[in-house]
Amino acid sequence: GAGVSQSPSNKVTEKGKDVELRCDPISGHTALYWYRQSLGQGLEFLIYFQGNSAPDKSGLPSDRFSAERTGGSVSTLTIQRTQQEDSAVYLCASSFTRAEAFFGQGTRLTVV
Amino acid sequence: GQQVMQIPQYQHVQEGEDFTTYCNSSTTLSNIQWYKQRPGGHPVFLIQLVKSGEVKKQKRLTFQFGEAKKNSSLHITATQTTDVGTYFCAGGYGNKLVFGAGTILRVKS
Repeated sequence: GAGVSQSPSNKVTEKGKDVELRCDPISGHTALYWYRQSLGQGLEFLIYFQGNSAPDKSGLPSDRFSAERTGGSVSTLTIQRTQQEDSAVYLCASSFTRAEAFFGQGTRLTVV
Repeated sequence: GQQVMQIPQYQHVQEGEDFTTYCNSSTTLSNIQWYKQRPGGHPVFLIQLVKSGEVKKQKRLTFQFGEAKKNSSLHITATQTTDVGTYFCAGGYGNKLVFGAGTILRVKS
């Protein structure tokens, strides 16, 4: 596709359920980032991939959060046993090495 | 560590006033990028600075990269209501980008 694609765009889930968020980066981009943004707030770093490896997972808030990237392309962020404080917009971005990052439209997660 | 501090967190200005946001890193950056996020949107790339002391302009926006490549600023002259949004810097640490927390700009007309 022409840009970074994230799905679903919106997700409402019950507390305690697991959710999977998907990111399709721009073809060929080696770097992939996941960020979380609460309403009116800044970007909270979650995880960074270079290719398939994740050199920096330091932003994952708890062991309920995990992410993988396969084939140097698609990435999935999984949140297990969701809590209400997980509600936020989850943004994915990709880039060539040391180049501008392109963001997807985000997934708005609401935990009820 | 790899952390980019951005200030201020919020700025409310009267239309026509100037606005500046600052980013600082404790370690040298390979490059600095700036992004703008309109309300309800996602961050969009504005510019990248690579050289020590570099200054770039885009119409009313002026971007600077410090001599030591540890700090940067974005200055908007004579703000307009269309400038409303959140401005993020992103510091390059080797191959990795680290985003600042952002500065939310509100413009009163």
